[in-house]
Amino acid sequence: AQSVTQLDSQVPVFEEAPVELRCNYSSSVSVYLFWYVQYPNQGLQLLLKYLSGSTLVKGINGFEAEFNKSQTSFHLRKPSVHISDTAEYFCAVLISSGSARQLTFGSGTQLTVLP
Amino acid sequence: DSGVTQTPKHLITATGQRVTLRCSPRSGDLSVYWYQQSLDQGLQFLIQYYNGEERAKGNILERFSAQQFPDLHSELNLSSLELGDSALYFCASSGQGADGYTFGSGTRLTVV
Repeated sequence: AQSVTQLDSQVPVFEEAPVELRCNYSSSVSVYLFWYVQYPNQGLQLLLKYLSGSTLVKGINGFEAEFNKSQTSFHLRKPSVHISDTAEYFCAVLISSGSARQLTFGSGTQLTVLP
Repeated sequence: DSGVTQTPKHLITATGQRVTLRCSPRSGDLSVYWYQQSLDQGLQFLIQYYNGEERAKGNILERFSAQQFPDLHSELNLSSLELGDSALYFCASSGQGADGYTFGSGTRLTVV
């Protein structure tokens, strides 16, 4: 069975500082990995995805993530955060078999950017 | 606007009642997924429909049911509601292939 572990439930960081949100996955099959962001009182928005190919994936709003198969990790990074990045971030793994799919989410990391 | 439409946005109802949540997927997407988000359980996958047929099932209670209609919109029916069913219910849709989902803005259900 596949699962996702987000190692930090809350990450406070000062504005313009770098940030890394950690995500580890477990899966016995090929994985497709995603990061979503949820702003207060909104739905989830796709930040970036890893399906195959280059292990460094760039997404929207200046975020990027690196797929590391040996460490089963998919950490999200941003070199300089803004107040507007304050939100909850979810890592997810997709298992796909034919038309059946299940996207399993981690427990989320609340990123709070401080002035 | 993500292209996935959920109605209503808010719903307040009493325990024991039944409600129906509605979702219209993004144009061209055949798959619809329902998720429940609560503070204690996080984001829980409930069920997937693909082109009208159930394809995958998650942690969905027997009191809950869903269907997808020929026009591809989907409804999630919640019955015999309990206080613990209060949560955000999200619908998402996807196309073919191993791609991400597009989420709607959710329905906030409050059971009193």
